[in-house]
Amino acid sequence: DQQVKQNSPSLSVQEGRISILNCDYTNSMFDYFLWYKKYPAEGPTFLISISSIKDKNEDGRFTVFLNKSAKHLSLHIVPSQPGDSAVYFCAASGAGGTSYGKLTFGQGTILTVHP
Amino acid sequence: DTAVSQTPKYLVTQMGNDKSIKCEQNLGHDTMYWYKQDSKKFLKIMFSYNNKELIINETVPNRFSPKSPDKAHLNLHINSLELGDSAVYFCASSPATGLAGQETQYFGPGTRLLVL
Repeated sequence: DQQVKQNSPSLSVQEGRISILNCDYTNSMFDYFLWYKKYPAEGPTFLISISSIKDKNEDGRFTVFLNKSAKHLSLHIVPSQPGDSAVYFCAASGAGGTSYGKLTFGQGTILTVHP
Repeated sequence: DTAVSQTPKYLVTQMGNDKSIKCEQNLGHDTMYWYKQDSKKFLKIMFSYNNKELIINETVPNRFSPKSPDKAHLNLHINSLELGDSAVYFCASSPATGLAGQETQYFGPGTRLLVL
């Protein structure tokens, strides 16, 4: 029962162009969403997050958009750089109760940015 | 000055052995977690502790026992290792924000466990 899905296993983009990574979720109790970036042989690194009370959050080249009605979020990277090549994980959590602090992850999308 | 550290980084052992993985965070966070990344690359939570108290315990075999001697450490002990335990184990920590379920988690580098 995959509650967070990243349907594109991989994405290839030219340097300088926009990278758009997508994520869908099914659990309507999720109200906090995060993107992590992971290089091989390292742990996931936090990138950006968004609360369900917002529909957009921006941090430098990274913007996350949340569409609650569609249960969909996306991460935009503009402009893309070769150093952005990594696996990107979408994660979600819900408020309180037994879900306290529990992150549910998608399966990841491999982003390759070509020079 | 690593924020979340794990030891060892690699662990190769025989089936049936008992092993421990250690995790330490120097971020002053209140909550620590263990995740398992399996061969299909899914990251799944196993346990979390808040101020040395167990708060999340997913459906994990009782051969896995977390231990938190203080809020900066969360160790994972595994008894009677099985082939299926081979995976990458990540430790993470998060601060208390007062907004339940909205804490950003910071991950360690992972421990690659191979059971032969």
